[in-house]
Amino acid sequence: GQQLNQSPQSMFIQEGEDVSMNCTSSSIFNTWLWYKQDPGEGPVLLIALYKAGELTSNGRLTAQFGITRKDSFLNISASIPSDVGIYFCAGQLDNRKLIWGLGTSLAVNP
Amino acid sequence: GAVVSQHPSRVICKSGTSVKIECRSLDFQATTMFWYRQFPKQSLMLMATSNEGSKATYEQGVEKDKFLINHASLTLSTLTVTSAHPEDSSFYICSAQIPGILIYEQYFGPGTRLTVT
Repeated sequence: GQQLNQSPQSMFIQEGEDVSMNCTSSSIFNTWLWYKQDPGEGPVLLIALYKAGELTSNGRLTAQFGITRKDSFLNISASIPSDVGIYFCAGQLDNRKLIWGLGTSLAVNP
Repeated sequence: GAVVSQHPSRVICKSGTSVKIECRSLDFQATTMFWYRQFPKQSLMLMATSNEGSKATYEQGVEKDKFLINHASLTLSTLTVTSAHPEDSSFYICSAQIPGILIYEQYFGPGTRLTVT
């Protein structure tokens, strides 16, 4: 099925560093969602974006809906050990189905 | 708010048996629920869209007779894996969508780890 291009595939950073990851698509989406998944758990919604150009923050997380509606990025500032996990972007079409990125695996070294 | 539960969290069954997984929205009514499966270190793969009171819509390549979905109420959808085989072993996750005109956020359950021996 269709998938989004998400990069980087994995990151290994030091605690306190900022992190940036992004997703791109050849298709236009109406909604972009960012999720975090811990091992053995379901994804947890972090940020939802509904308008092109929209910039939204949730604590140390900031995400933007690209102006072309074909991309989005997620930034994490001042990373902490509990930020470890896999981050997924997802674009949503009018039929409400989510198209998923392949995930960015984040490891934080204390 | 927006809590989704799944039961069981883990299940081990013998090949040829059937397994039922429940997905419940605890604090909201969900007219639409989704069922995914996820293999290790891979993204989520949508299996089917479950609509309350109607037949589920299956994604291409997903056998509807093998993965039976029932969405009998606004807070409960079930996935039954019939005649399970080892290759059906996977992590199954459901999500529920908060109904709204413009809001299409999906909230996920904690997942069910199915192991078929």
